[in-house]
Amino acid sequence: AQKVTQAQTEISVVEKEDVTLDCVYETRDTTYYLFWYKQPPSGELVFLIRRNSFDEQNEISGRYSWNFQKSTSSFNFTITASQVVDSAVYFCLLTQGGSEKLVFGKGTKLTVNP
Amino acid sequence: SQTIHQWPATLVQPVGSPLSLECTVEGTSNPNLYWYRQAAGRGLQLLFYSVGIGQISSEVPQNLSASRPQDRQFILSSKKLLLSDSGFYLCAWSVLREPGELFFGEGSRLTVL
Repeated sequence: AQKVTQAQTEISVVEKEDVTLDCVYETRDTTYYLFWYKQPPSGELVFLIRRNSFDEQNEISGRYSWNFQKSTSSFNFTITASQVVDSAVYFCLLTQGGSEKLVFGKGTKLTVNP
Repeated sequence: SQTIHQWPATLVQPVGSPLSLECTVEGTSNPNLYWYRQAAGRGLQLLFYSVGIGQISSEVPQNLSASRPQDRQFILSSKKLLLSDSGFYLCAWSVLREPGELFFGEGSRLTVL
């Protein structure tokens, strides 16, 4: 069975601090996709990134970076120099098939204080 | 560009009353459509998905139903709401070539009293 674990329920940091959100996944499939979504206080979910299981290159997008490590089944998300606008719930997701097969983590609530 | 709208944004309903949440997508054709529920505690649960008009797959048995009368319209309904139906409902769409890349609506917050 597939499973996503986000062990950090809530994280609170002060603005400009770096913060890493952990994601550990379980799957028996060799082909799968991993995702991060952001849910700001307004409620809608915003797609941040997708990686497939054959691409372990780390990715950087502005202040966001992702570290995919198949050896530890982890797909961690780091925000550098955090800002108040980064305050949101962040979800890690996994799928082997289509979008109807998405497995969500329970989310990590990040609060960035000024 | 593609957009997705759902309404109403907020709804307060008594137990036993009916429900209708509507979702429409613009700027794309033949999307896959989804209804999710996010109950207290933030977990997201897939309720229904649809790959075409009139085609509905249910993930969780419950007193809710979904319909897709048009290609870009997805409706979530109930004949009699329960207290446990309270939550935040999200509609989403995706295209087959991009597995897992969902585009979500603004959400509808339902409180059943």
